[in-house]
Amino acid sequence: DAGVIQSPRHEVTEMGQEVTLRCKPISGHNSLFWYRQTMMRGLELLIYFNNNVPIDDSGMPEDRFSAKMPNASFSTLKIQPSEPRDSAVYFCASSSGLKGETQYFGPGTRLLVL
Amino acid sequence: GENVEQHPSTLSVQEGDSAVIKCTYSDSASNYFPWYKQELGKGPQLIIDIRSNVGEKKDQRIAVTLNKTAKHFSLHITETQPEDSAVYFCAASKGYQKVTFGIGTKLQVIP
Repeated sequence: DAGVIQSPRHEVTEMGQEVTLRCKPISGHNSLFWYRQTMMRGLELLIYFNNNVPIDDSGMPEDRFSAKMPNASFSTLKIQPSEPRDSAVYFCASSSGLKGETQYFGPGTRLLVL
Repeated sequence: GENVEQHPSTLSVQEGDSAVIKCTYSDSASNYFPWYKQELGKGPQLIIDIRSNVGEKKDQRIAVTLNKTAKHFSLHITETQPEDSAVYFCAASKGYQKVTFGIGTKLQVIP
């Protein structure tokens, strides 16, 4: 199994630009999570999906952030417009509700907004 | 919502010594407590977990204990090795899906 795949691994952009992060969950997993990791706030859950449906987006910081999951094998997290305070590592994770709560994390996308 | 506190934030031990990381949680309904290890440049990986109907669980050099009354749980690593150096996260959940993480503990094992 290839595990959770995220792209790009690194992204450098200028303030005001649109940023799109991508995630491919583990095949067969029915839950997908987007996290943001910073030194100050640690790992924060932004949003999670179950069977492609958003369940809880209370962690999404503001309207500049949006997430979609058009099918079981793909999800995007978009930031528009980006700001320097959005600089962080963004992780995608997936899990299978049938086998327990273990979440499998991808390698992350390191985002730097200048 | 759930709040998970973790300490210490950093921990240095000599190789071969034991390391202990402690966490507390706020929601008495939480019933699943995983521990994740994050190596530099990688995503967190589950190393051990415990459920509320169990007081202790061991896996080789790693053990986790849970005190439901006090709402705290701990990770114990014995005979530490340099490859144990990483950031460790505790977490709590009331069931499937939503997990609240602690702030993390950076463990350094000194050869």
